[in-house]
Amino acid sequence: NAGVTQTPKFQVLKTGQSMTLQCAQDMNHEYMSWYRQDPGMGLRLIHYSVGAGITDQGEVPNGYNVSRSTTEDFPLRLLSAAPSQTSVYFCASRQGAHGYTFGSGTRLTVV
Amino acid sequence: GNSVTQMEGPVTLSEEAFLTINCTYTATGYPSLFWYVQYPGEGLQLLLKATKADDKGSNKGFEATYRKETTSFHLEKGSVQVSDSAVYFCALSDAGNDMRFGAGTRLTVKP
Repeated sequence: NAGVTQTPKFQVLKTGQSMTLQCAQDMNHEYMSWYRQDPGMGLRLIHYSVGAGITDQGEVPNGYNVSRSTTEDFPLRLLSAAPSQTSVYFCASRQGAHGYTFGSGTRLTVV
Repeated sequence: GNSVTQMEGPVTLSEEAFLTINCTYTATGYPSLFWYVQYPGEGLQLLLKATKADDKGSNKGFEATYRKETTSFHLEKGSVQVSDSAVYFCALSDAGNDMRFGAGTRLTVKP
């Protein structure tokens, strides 16, 4: 089915470890974004991309890196995990003024 | 900067009751406005949208009207069902890729 695919669905990391959250979409959307969802805070934008080779920072970019080498893929890297990065992470894509299509999320716990 | 404020939850209603979830926004330009719904364990799904003043978005019995004079986009449904129990997010997007979300309102509908 067409949509946004995120992997893994669950992950536990130790403080200081690094990892990459994967995101892929098959709708040829230009825009892709990463959000984190924390209780009572809605969704906060981490990084976004308006097309292959172009990325920019959102509200809460510290501790995260992204790249966009293809239209389809937009991985999010945690460089050195911290307990404050415990959250649910959502990748989303959209085309123009249309609403986002979201992935099903990655629940990350940093201990 | 742009921001969205929505009524705090949780909201608990009986089946067939009338639903209103308030949403107001602050924006420098002429944003598009959205309502998303999130069911437990899932990503957000686009519920409805409006792209200009006085537009009414509607879907699955839900409606919201873009009111520029009151900077509001309140979500309404005439008769809620148990299956409407979810978290609802109001969001706005301007000409860039910056989609801002409210904190979310949890709705529980009891039979």
